[in-house]
Amino acid sequence: EADIYQTPRYLVIGTGKKITLECSQTMGHDKMYWYQQDPGMELHLIHYSYGVNSTEKGDLSSESTVSRIRTEHFPLTLESARPSHTSQYLCASRGGTGTDTQYFGPGTRLTVL
Amino acid sequence: AQRVTQPEKLLSVFKGAPVELKCNYSYSGSPELFWYVQYSRQRLQLLLRHISRESIKGFTADLNKGETSFHLKKPFAQEEDSAMYYCALSVHSGNTPLVFGKGTRLSVIA
Repeated sequence: EADIYQTPRYLVIGTGKKITLECSQTMGHDKMYWYQQDPGMELHLIHYSYGVNSTEKGDLSSESTVSRIRTEHFPLTLESARPSHTSQYLCASRGGTGTDTQYFGPGTRLTVL
Repeated sequence: AQRVTQPEKLLSVFKGAPVELKCNYSYSGSPELFWYVQYSRQRLQLLLRHISRESIKGFTADLNKGETSFHLKKPFAQEEDSAMYYCALSVHSGNTPLVFGKGTRLSVIA
């Protein structure tokens, strides 16, 4: 079934640790996105990609990095986690035109102690 | 630059009352507009988009280019409508990320 998958769903980690949040989609979409969202609050775009080997920074300054080596995979990495990184991270993908729906993954809730 | 404004952070209505969630946008071209909804403990999902001109779960939204608005309406609110609602704008080509409003939390009171 076509979907967007994020792992882990929940992560509690200590300060200074390196973490990678995984995102995979079987929608066949070229465009993928990472958002940061505190529960019930606004969405902040942190990274996006329009295809393999394409990555761009979003509106929110972030200490994270992303890679896009395969169309279906768009992992986000924090080299050194800090308590200010505590939030929910949403992955999304979208088709090729302006009218296409954007689909969201279930999110990863990250807590940095 | 494109911008989406949702002036109400929280909207509380009684069950059975009409609902209107406001959305205004700024964009000089022809926009594509969407409403996304996030129910408690569920992922963010599309509710409706203006190009489809459809009614979903009793909700409708009409694009008013003169007022640059895309307000979401429902004549009779239900408790299950309680959620976060986000208005979003896309340029026609889709070559820039969606621009989201800050969201409005709708609370329907029994």
